[in-house]
Amino acid sequence: GAGVSQSPSNKVTEKGKDVELRCDPISGHTALYWYRQSLGQGLEFLIYFQGNSAPDKSGLPSDRFSAERTGGSVSTLTIQRTQQEDSAVYLCASSLTGAQPQHFGDGTRLSIL
Amino acid sequence: EDKVVQSPLSLVVHEGDTVTLNCSYEVTNFRSLLWYKQEKKAPTFLFMLTSSGIEKKSGRLSSILDKKELFSILNITATQTGDSAVYLCAVEAGTSYDKVIFGPGTSLSVIP
Repeated sequence: GAGVSQSPSNKVTEKGKDVELRCDPISGHTALYWYRQSLGQGLEFLIYFQGNSAPDKSGLPSDRFSAERTGGSVSTLTIQRTQQEDSAVYLCASSLTGAQPQHFGDGTRLSIL
Repeated sequence: EDKVVQSPLSLVVHEGDTVTLNCSYEVTNFRSLLWYKQEKKAPTFLFMLTSSGIEKKSGRLSSILDKKELFSILNITATQTGDSAVYLCAVEAGTSYDKVIFGPGTSLSVIP
């Protein structure tokens, strides 16, 4: 398919472990966004990439969160020393040159025990 | 601080009813307003609005933007159970890079 692909779809891990979430955007889309959605809540902006650069990191909740994008394509969101409050669905979206609308992946459901 | 507010937060209607969902915003350097529908997983795009007073329409759904009063509405006529979803409003703002702020969403349940 040609959509945004995220993996894993579900991740259960123990508190204190590190996790890595992956997003594969639509081919040719230079803009990539990460969001967090807690149960029953709207989308919380985390970080935005234009190509490999992240001009806006203001949404990252703490220094335990980091993200990178290489080759202008795949992005990984890493959460170190996970806490229970990190439990949420992490959604990735991409768009062509940053223009709207965004195309979303199905998300990674992260559960911290 | 940029913000997007939606109302109501949840709504239950019967099939065939007409519903109006509201979105208001306060942002710097407004660029566009978007509506998405989120059923189980990925939000899917419905409308993008950039100009005031021009209605966008797709089947039973329509939306309009008022840039003076800083709000938008999403109308759904003759609702069906398949319209049950969370409807998200998002505003694109900023100058040097794209910043997209999402509202909390309106959870719509359509019962037979």
